[in-house]
Amino acid sequence: DAKTTQPTSMDCAEGRAANLPCNHSTISGNEYVYWYRQIHSQGPQYIIHGLKNNETNEMASLIITEDRKSSTLILPHATLRDTAVYYCIVPNTGNQFYFGTGTSLTVIP
Amino acid sequence: GAVVSQHPSRVICKSGTSVKIECRSLDFQATTMFWYRQFPKKSLMLMATSNEGSKATYEQGVEKDKFLINHASLTLSTLTVTSAHPEDSSFYICSAAGWTQETQYFGPGTRLLVL
Repeated sequence: DAKTTQPTSMDCAEGRAANLPCNHSTISGNEYVYWYRQIHSQGPQYIIHGLKNNETNEMASLIITEDRKSSTLILPHATLRDTAVYYCIVPNTGNQFYFGTGTSLTVIP
Repeated sequence: GAVVSQHPSRVICKSGTSVKIECRSLDFQATTMFWYRQFPKKSLMLMATSNEGSKATYEQGVEKDKFLINHASLTLSTLTVTSAHPEDSSFYICSAAGWTQETQYFGPGTRLLVL
């Protein structure tokens, strides 16, 4: 079963920051948080992952709370091409991914 | 880097036939590959985990004799859907993880339609 919960859907205005929350209250100390997105009829695309510290790359920023029970993916300037389903995943000990429902992000012109 | 390909991208077959789907890691060695399927408007569902040179580990409810998985090299895994039925029609996606087994990189998916 998925170890994360996310809102089902969100809207964001084009050019604005998109903040996508994720709860992972049962995460253990050595488990990473991964974020992927899936555009319709494509395979999931890796975005970012983190353990404790906040992370940033060319695609997004990941903010992890101090207690690690939740995180937020930030797309700083959303574009129409960022419309996708975003998945927050905490793998199990065998590195298996059990996907939740994800958040369907719609970027509005 | 970290590119995973799948072939074919889509396939149509008759009920009762077998279909083989290939998953390749193009620029890294994949010690572990994973197979998922996704039904319309649903999330990805893990089917099996495959380690190079070992038998695949199947998730509960996935028939190992129906979904044959082979991971004979560090860059190739295959999924064979045997005696396909219309209810096997789905989007099949593979992923691959390298030596560190942290990040999984996903293929583009294969859409299977069984008539």
